[in-house]
Amino acid sequence: DIQMTQSPSSVSASVGDRVTITCRASQGISTWLAWYQQKPGKAPKLLMYDASSLQSWVPSRFSGGGSGTDFTLTISSLQPEDFATYYCQQANSVPPTFGPGTKVDIK
Amino acid sequence: EVQLLESGGGLVQPGGSLRLSCEASGFTFSSYAMSWVRQAPGKGLEWVSVISGSGTTTYYADSVKGRFTISRDNSKNTLYLQMNSLRGEDTAVYYCAKARGSSTSSCYTDWGQGTLVTLSS
Repeated sequence: DIQMTQSPSSVSASVGDRVTITCRASQGISTWLAWYQQKPGKAPKLLMYDASSLQSWVPSRFSGGGSGTDFTLTISSLQPEDFATYYCQQANSVPPTFGPGTKVDIK
Repeated sequence: EVQLLESGGGLVQPGGSLRLSCEASGFTFSSYAMSWVRQAPGKGLEWVSVISGSGTTTYYADSVKGRFTISRDNSKNTLYLQMNSLRGEDTAVYYCAKARGSSTSSCYTDWGQGTLVTLSS
């Protein structure tokens, strides 16, 4: 199975800050990488797929990049509605494993 | 609009059984792989199982293999998860999730609201 790791596990940031989350796969997954946003008590929502393709609802301040084993999710200017937990997930092979999550909270 | 509505969760004793259902609408159900993903209280997301659009291909996480069975009824647009020999570590919110396409290795574009399964003696 492909193992996914994320760093940091949590980050405290202020509105307007630039935040970058890193996701690493234990083996190469090309760009078969998705990012999800989850708020407390809610289901996860797909932010982007194929490492950098944004879902239609996602603001342009979100961006993704990377290929192979190393990926990033960047929020260019953090907004109040962005405080949440973010998960990466590899979609290269079964089982489609998730990273442990990165909680973005208010500084 | 895609809608996924889970049901069937509840309180069950260790060793017991439960069947979860997920009614889907707003898309051509048989064209998409579907999965169950769970989240234990305060923990991260754990993929549980996936089934192909036709229902002929299934995969399971090692943690549930031999105990859980995923199935679907395309005539009813409904996904199921039969859970047997339940253990304390199965306590979680169970989400039904629609794959982005027909592949069983995919990301998930839509999620249900989740149904809580609690193990307690």
